[in-house]
Amino acid sequence: EDQVTQSPEALRLQEGESSSLNCSYTVSGLRGLFWYRQDPGKGPEFLFTLYSAGEEKEKERLKATLTKKESFLHITAPKPEDSATYLCAVQEASNFGNEKLTFGTGTRLTIIP
Amino acid sequence: DARVTQTPRHKVTEMGQEVTMRCQPILGHNTVFWYRQTMMQGLELLAYFRNRAPLDDSGMPKDRFSAEMPDATLATLKIQPSEPRDSAVYFCASGLVLGQRDGYTFGSGTRLTVV
Repeated sequence: EDQVTQSPEALRLQEGESSSLNCSYTVSGLRGLFWYRQDPGKGPEFLFTLYSAGEEKEKERLKATLTKKESFLHITAPKPEDSATYLCAVQEASNFGNEKLTFGTGTRLTIIP
Repeated sequence: DARVTQTPRHKVTEMGQEVTMRCQPILGHNTVFWYRQTMMQGLELLAYFRNRAPLDDSGMPKDRFSAEMPDATLATLKIQPSEPRDSAVYFCASGLVLGQRDGYTFGSGTRLTVV
């Protein structure tokens, strides 16, 4: 069974203080690793999909990287508007083409002005 | 921007009542998910459709939950009878096959409270 573990559960940073969020996963074969951002009272918002080890993707102050066992979401010089819960999810490669995403429980990020 | 529309946004009901949640996926998307989110369990998959056909409902309590797509513009999730442990936020998400390039788009959710 697919497993996704995110750490830390919560992270408080000063504005401008860079850090990284971790997503460790166990899956028999990875089709894709997804990162989402979720604001309170809203649905998850898609950020990135990573497909193979060594791949990197960037969007504004966010950069996601992928290895064979984990993914990191690096946040550079964060601003208060980056405060949110960040979720990662894995999609398993399978012969049956099942697209379901298995989510981690998220990291709640707070950026203090 | 195209969006996934869920109704109602909030629902309070008494234990034992039937609850129906609706989702309008993005036009052209052929994959639809129903997820449930709680503080304790996070996001859990309930049901998954491709081209309106149910492909995975292993996460759904079958004695009380049912999910359907009567047409390409409507997905429904029903709970009958509802129980207090069903209180959660229910999300619908849609996307193109395998979610490549653009991922899957989530709606704003239906917050269900069963008293």
